[in-house]
Amino acid sequence: AQKITQTQPGMFVQEKEAVTLDCTYDTSDPSYGLFWYKQPSSGEMIFLIYQGSYDQQNATEGRYSLNFQKARKSANLVISASQLGDSAMYFCAMRDANFGNEKLTFGTGTRLTIIP
Amino acid sequence: NAGVTQTPKFRILKIGQSMTLQCTQDMNHNYMYWYRQDPGMGLKLIYYSVGAGITDKGEVPNGYNVSRSTTEDFPLRLELAAPSQTSVYFCASSYSISGEQYFGPGTRLTVT
Repeated sequence: AQKITQTQPGMFVQEKEAVTLDCTYDTSDPSYGLFWYKQPSSGEMIFLIYQGSYDQQNATEGRYSLNFQKARKSANLVISASQLGDSAMYFCAMRDANFGNEKLTFGTGTRLTIIP
Repeated sequence: NAGVTQTPKFRILKIGQSMTLQCTQDMNHNYMYWYRQDPGMGLKLIYYSVGAGITDKGEVPNGYNVSRSTTEDFPLRLELAAPSQTSVYFCASSYSISGEQYFGPGTRLTVT
């Protein structure tokens, strides 16, 4: 079963608009963490934001916020006031503990293109 | 701080050859990871380490070996290269298992 699902392979958004990138996850572990990473065309992986399963409030980091809906098992990334430099691949990832072996599982990514 | 460094940046191997991908971090992180990223896909964990002398398998360990003799270094060894190992390899490190992971720039490996 897919542990992390990103259903939007590609998105096009007008500059300065807000954008929501979807991520749903599946785990039976009550303790887990959710991450979003950005991968520009240059290839490096850049950490954006983290949400722990016990965190009471949604995480925010500058223009990035995470819309965490625990009951629906979704952790969508919201980028406000999008910029041309936001064009990149975005990966959602989850850390959970499976039989004591903690690991990070990545989704297949969403390619975001910002249109001037 | 250089962060996480990886060498080489690019490499072409013939089938059956061996090589070691180097990874070094200068952040004194205990946790280190190796991932591979196939075209159009997310990252898959190959091996990880929770400290010097301790390593464990990830999701796709077959065909690879690792060692962790120091906190700083976490080399990945390919013994008998196969075309299926053509991929981009990322090394990462983190302060804790739940903390953000810092990634190196990646090594693009082609096996022909």
